[in-house]
Amino acid sequence: AQSVAQPEDQVNVAEGNPLTVKCTYSVSGNPYLFWYVQYPNRGLQFLLKYITGDNLVKGSYGFEAEFNKSQTSFHLKKPSALVSDSALYFCAVRDAGDSNYQLIWGAGTKLIIKP
Amino acid sequence: DAGVTQSPTHLIKTRGQQVTLRCSPISGHKSVSWYQQVLGQGPQFIFQYYEKEERGRGNFPDRFSARQFPNYSSELNVNALLLGDSALYLCASSSQGDGYTFGSGTRLTVV
Repeated sequence: AQSVAQPEDQVNVAEGNPLTVKCTYSVSGNPYLFWYVQYPNRGLQFLLKYITGDNLVKGSYGFEAEFNKSQTSFHLKKPSALVSDSALYFCAVRDAGDSNYQLIWGAGTKLIIKP
Repeated sequence: DAGVTQSPTHLIKTRGQQVTLRCSPISGHKSVSWYQQVLGQGPQFIFQYYEKEERGRGNFPDRFSARQFPNYSSELNVNALLLGDSALYLCASSSQGDGYTFGSGTRLTVV
């Protein structure tokens, strides 16, 4: 069965420090991996994706993520956190061989950046 | 280009009523997916349509139905509303299934 795990409900980081939001996944085929951010009472905003190619993916707002096939992980990172990065972050996966385009989502990680 | 548009943005319904939510995808995108997001949880897949055909259905009761029109816009219908149907309903537009753009959602409150 396909699944996504975000092991941390909340991550607290001081402004200016590096941040990491963890994600591990399970699919039967090749994964398409995504990170989205959600601000209060808003929809989901795309940050970055891994489809194929380089394992290090760079996205919006200075975020990046590294695809690690052996560890089935796709952790989100940023070298220097901003207070405005405080939001809810979701990791999602799709099996590339799945014809229904279904995304499987993690439960989300609340990121709090303290000044 | 306009993004994914959803309407209405908010609505309040009474238990037992029926509701229709609407979604217009990005121009040129032929796939529309619907997700339900209950407060404090990740989105749950409801339906996916491609070229007006249902391609996938999540674990939701038959009270939930959807359709896609020739212009690729879509409607999600929910009958016999329950309090537990209160959620943010999100529509996602995709071209090849390797990228998804979400609308701002419809916040449904059932009282």
